[in-house]
Amino acid sequence: GAGVSQTPSNKVTEKGKYVELRCDPISGHTALYWYRQSLGQGPEFLIYFQGTGAADDSGLPNDRFFAVRPEGSVSTLKIQRTERGDSAVYLCASSPVPGGPSTDTQYFGPGTRLTVL
Amino acid sequence: LAKTTQPISMDSYEGQEVNITCSHNNIATNDYITWYQQFPSQGPRFIIQGYKTKVTNEVASLFIPADRKSSTLSLPRVSLSDTAVYYCLVGRGSQGNLIFGKGTKLSVKP
Repeated sequence: GAGVSQTPSNKVTEKGKYVELRCDPISGHTALYWYRQSLGQGPEFLIYFQGTGAADDSGLPNDRFFAVRPEGSVSTLKIQRTERGDSAVYLCASSPVPGGPSTDTQYFGPGTRLTVL
Repeated sequence: LAKTTQPISMDSYEGQEVNITCSHNNIATNDYITWYQQFPSQGPRFIIQGYKTKVTNEVASLFIPADRKSSTLSLPRVSLSDTAVYYCLVGRGSQGNLIFGKGTKLSVKP
């Protein structure tokens, strides 16, 4: 079946602009995670959705970052007033099991590479 | 949460067996050990997971000693396509989020 998809694959924007990054999880997966990966580093957790609600947004770096998942499927990560330091690959992952169990596999999308000029 | 330590990089040649060891001295009783693989321009992909002793699947083997303070990912007869970054993860965040270190960059040469 189809995996996790993310659009766009690349996004170049100017400092101060607003961007939206989209994630389509695997159908039926209730858990959805956003991660951010800087060059040479492993992915870092941003936010977790269980269904429609953000169960944990403790990883969001500041209030310029916001994410929604209105129908419990597609999620959008929104970044306001982008800064050069926001440049990174934004990864989305989904899992069929609600967050918590230590054995569920997370399935990652290919990521969106965001470049803020 | 257990912190992991693994080599930054490793080199190998096609056909060789590669073993990547990860140290996790502070692993908790209920923590599982999971390895993910990441190719350039792709998201991480699950390879294998275990709790103790040995786990084997079609891709790799995972060896975990009795004290569980380390683990070794074994890739048999690597090929060029195994060139990737390999992450060792121990435990999860409070919501099941994965906690990645910097990983081991494996380069397989012909």
